[in-house]
Order: sequence, then structure tokens, then C-alpha cells
Amino acid sequence: AQLVESGGGLVKPGGSLRLSCSGSQLSSNNVYMTWVRQAPGKGLEWVGRIRGGADGGTTDYAAPVKGRFSISRDKSTDTFYLEMNGLKVDDTAVYFCTAEVNDWSTYYFDHWGQGTRVTVSS
Amino acid sequence: DIQMTQSPFPLSAFIGDTVTITCRSSQYIGYHLNWFQQKEGEAPKLLIFRASSVQSGVPGRFRGRGSGTDFTLTISSLQPEDSATYYCQQSFVTPRTFGQGTKVEVK
Repeated sequence: AQLVESGGGLVKPGGSLRLSCSGSQLSSNNVYMTWVRQAPGKGLEWVGRIRGGADGGTTDYAAPVKGRFSISRDKSTDTFYLEMNGLKVDDTAVYFCTAEVNDWSTYYFDHWGQGTRVTVSS
Repeated sequence: DIQMTQSPFPLSAFIGDTVTITCRSSQYIGYHLNWFQQKEGEAPKLLIFRASSVQSGVPGRFRGRGSGTDFTLTISSLQPEDSATYYCQQSFVTPRTFGQGTKVEVK
């Protein structure tokens, strides 16, 4: 599966942005579609995820973004989204979407998108 | 949250050398440890999952070991294309957490 992100750009502090990731595997019960970000010159940071499958849709978030970011999905188009509100300068990063697969109760990110850049600046 | 600590940071070695990167978790994570390689300007690439299982297509010179809280990634016969930053990541609990990364320079 090829994952493709879109929606990045420049936004002012306090603003909003919605990222999209197409080519996801939302039909699978054994997948969590996940957002991971990387601030300039920094390491990887897990942002949040949404569970795939017919009974999925549950979400989890990292503490720094909880209450500001929201992950949703559209199973009909195999697309999932990251809605970012109340953006802060510290949210500036490249945002990657990735598929975390459940392989006999072992979880790992085996497919990644190319990333989309979000810059929060006045 | 589980903290992941890698060493050394950074690392420089010659073509053909064997290098080892260490990753330590702040809590027990069993075998739930993955390793990624990230080259400049690219997305991370999965190398090792479940501490020691090599992802399909990854060269056999990459080996992962460990369990509990202490893990290693060993790269044998270092090649120029191995110049990259390597991250460990725990998948034992949420939030998933990564090590700070180890930049490997191949001279």
C-alpha cells in the first residue's frame, strides 16, 4: 500500500489545518493508521492513531496534542485525516502517516507516506 | 510514558566495520521493540520488528537483539548506503515512543 499525505502548509499560531492520508488500510481490523511528526532537526514523535476495521474508529492521542488534534477516517475512500486546531509554533514539523500493523500481537509501522510539512509561524 | 534512550549519539565508522547501537527502555517492554532507518529527507524505513525479526528486503547485515529493557542493533560490514539516522521504538504501550536517534556516518 502506498500512503500519500497532503494538506500541509503555512499557518499562523492559533490557526487550523487538516492533513489527509490516502491509500490507507482502514478496512483491516489489524491496522492502526497513525500520524508521526518530526520537528526540524529533531527525532520522531508519535502524534495519534485511529483503528481500522468495521468496528474500529477508536482513537488515541499524545498528550501534547490531546484536545487540539482530532483523527478521523473515511472508509469509503481509504483516507484518514488529522484535524489540527489551536496550532502552536511547536507543532511545526513534517507529518508522516504510517500504518501500524498487528502481526500476532506484535505491532510495527511497516508503511510510511513521504510526509507533509506544517509550518506554524506569524 | 516509556522513555527510550539510545547510545551512542552520534557514531562514525569506516566501510566494512561492524557497529552496534544500544537502546534502553525506562520500563519492561518484552520483545516489543522496532528499529527504523531514516535517510536525510526521507520517511523512516522499518528494519527490525519484534526486537530481532528482519523486515523483508532488509540486508542480512542488520541484526537486532535483546528483550526486557535492553536492545541492540548491529550493522555488520558497514556500507556507504548505511549512512543514516537509526531510531528504536517501543510498541508495548501507548503512547508509542521513539529513541532520540543515532546518526551513523560512514567514512
